[in-house]
Amino acid sequence: GQQVMQIPQYQHVQEGEDFTTYCNSSTTLSNIQWYKQRPGGHPVFLIQLVKSGEVKKQKRLTFQFGEAKKNSSLHITATQTTDVGTYFCAGSLNFNKFYFGSGTKLNVKP
Amino acid sequence: DAEITQSPRHKITETGRQVTLACHQTWNHNNMFWYRQDLGHGLRLIHYSYGVQDTNKGEVSDGYSVSRSNTEDLPLTLESAASSQTSVYFCASSDSGVQQETQYFGPGTRLLVL
Repeated sequence: GQQVMQIPQYQHVQEGEDFTTYCNSSTTLSNIQWYKQRPGGHPVFLIQLVKSGEVKKQKRLTFQFGEAKKNSSLHITATQTTDVGTYFCAGSLNFNKFYFGSGTKLNVKP
Repeated sequence: DAEITQSPRHKITETGRQVTLACHQTWNHNNMFWYRQDLGHGLRLIHYSYGVQDTNKGEVSDGYSVSRSNTEDLPLTLESAASSQTSVYFCASSDSGVQQETQYFGPGTRLLVL
């Protein structure tokens, strides 16, 4: 069965609003990665989190790894139309193969 | 510049035919992966390899096979194509190390099985 659950499946926001997607695992992860896939494109790596409670920022994007290393979130502040796409988390159990979440499709209305 | 390519980009085949999808990377990465992407399922791992002559089954490996005869290539073969294998297939590669590095994805192959 699916190791990593991701919600919501879809999110429609007005440009300038914030956006958050969440990932949860039933087992402790060794690390988690986040990817963005533009419509018609391929997944592109955004960031990797390894440490318990880790928080990383990339401009308007904030990534968090839970204290128990079972959940993670991606928060985008003040969305822009360039943020449109599907965001995937991918968790690993022992630093090798990854289990991808089903993705959150973000649509931003100008 | 290093890259990862897939061919063909689009393929239409008939049920029961054998199909091979090519993946070639010039990153000199040891790790290579094949995923399929279907609506509502995200990316699911089919097969993966950590080096030449090494292959491993992923979570949806039935009906697929791979071989790794060199560092650059990991072809994916559908032994007898089925309509359930209609999907978008992505190849990815990553460097080896103590902690898994980022995966670089190819552009994908859209496969339609009629």
